[in-house]
Amino acid sequence: DGGITQSPKYLFRKEGQNVTLSCEQNLNHDAMYWYRQDPGQGLRLIYYSQIVNDFQKGDIAEGYSVSREKKESFPLTVTSAQKNPTAFYLCASSIDRGVQGSGYSSGANVLTFGAGSRLTVL
Amino acid sequence: KQEVTQIPAALSVPEGENLVLNCSFTDSAIYNLQWFRQDPGKGLTSLLLIQSSQREQTSGRLNASLDKSSGRSTLYIAASQPGDSATYLCAVSSYSGGGADGLTFGKGTHLIIQP
Repeated sequence: DGGITQSPKYLFRKEGQNVTLSCEQNLNHDAMYWYRQDPGQGLRLIYYSQIVNDFQKGDIAEGYSVSREKKESFPLTVTSAQKNPTAFYLCASSIDRGVQGSGYSSGANVLTFGAGSRLTVL
Repeated sequence: KQEVTQIPAALSVPEGENLVLNCSFTDSAIYNLQWFRQDPGKGLTSLLLIQSSQREQTSGRLNASLDKSSGRSTLYIAASQPGDSATYLCAVSSYSGGGADGLTFGKGTHLIIQP
């Protein structure tokens, strides 16, 4: 079955440590995204990637880093510079990023989400 | 900048009732609107996608409508069941969308269906 796999599901980190969250998809999607979800809040975009070896900052990229060396994989590193890293992290993918800004949407940014990773800083 | 509001924040109804969840957005220049379902501690599952040129979409007991001019969408759930209990999120794709991907999410409506 095609889908997105996030690991680990739960992760505990001590202050000052970097941690990496894994996201793998077998949907052959070009675009991948990382979101952060806090209680009672909407999803906020951390980073996104439209194609291999390319990625862009989202609204709250500070303290995070990503890589996109393979189409299937988009790992997120939460660095010690992230002031408040305790949150639920969601990875998503879409066929492509659609055609934003041109007034036309292919609808191709329909997102498929992983099950999430909950990070707690001790 | 696009803003998305979902009302109510929480809703509890007896099983079998028909119900409506609301989503409003401030910029009517949207590409599409999506409704998602999120179970506790899980990821989001896409329920319905409405393109800007469409007025509604239906899937089983779910019907989503879109009124771009008034900046509103509703998700109608018919004959609610306990298994419908979840948080329902609305996301709008727009040129002025918050987030570099053009998507702006609401905070969700937490729905409880009482058996």
